[in-house]
Amino acid sequence: DIQMTQFPSSLSASVGDRVTITCRASQSIRKNLNWYQQKPGKAPKLLIYAASTLQSGVPSRFSGSGSETDFTLTISFLQPEDFASYYCHQSYNTPYTFGQGTKLEIK
Amino acid sequence: QVQLQQSGPGLVKPSQTLSLTCAISGDSVSNNSAAWNWIRQSPSRGLEWLGRTYYRSKWYYDYAVSVKSRITISPDTSNNQFSLQLNSVTPEDTAVYYCAREYRAGGFYNWGQGALVTVSS
Repeated sequence: DIQMTQFPSSLSASVGDRVTITCRASQSIRKNLNWYQQKPGKAPKLLIYAASTLQSGVPSRFSGSGSETDFTLTISFLQPEDFASYYCHQSYNTPYTFGQGTKLEIK
Repeated sequence: QVQLQQSGPGLVKPSQTLSLTCAISGDSVSNNSAAWNWIRQSPSRGLEWLGRTYYRSKWYYDYAVSVKSRITISPDTSNNQFSLQLNSVTPEDTAVYYCAREYRAGGFYNWGQGALVTVSS
């Protein structure tokens, strides 16, 4: 199985900040990496697919980069609604695997 | 607009079978570009992919090794839905279960609302 290591596991930031979350794969997954946002009691929501493609309707302050084993999710100019948990997910091959998640909290 | 609506019991006794259904609207379970997945989430395991089914001239199935001996995912073309059966459950199978639609580049574009399933006597 491909292991996905995501860090940090938690992050405190303020409205207006820029934050970066990192996800590392245990082997090359090319650009088959997706990012999700999850709020309490809700299903995850797809933000970015194929490492850097913004899903329709997602604000442009979200961006993704990377390839092979190293990927980042960046949120520029944090908004109050961005405080949530974030997960990476590799879709290179099955079994699909997820990172452990990053909880983004208000400082 | 694709929507997934989950249904099924929220409480299952140990050793029995967990059964959930995911009804699809706005797409077809036979769509040649989509795959239909089950994922669960618990504090101890995080997000865990369980398996999927998809149609490419015939039906295919992929399952996680951790549940492969106990799981069945079945498409139902008559009702445009798919289902999850997990046999011989234990308390470790307690989790929120999600169905999800995978499309093109492999992301999960659409999710069901989630269902907490508790395994307890």
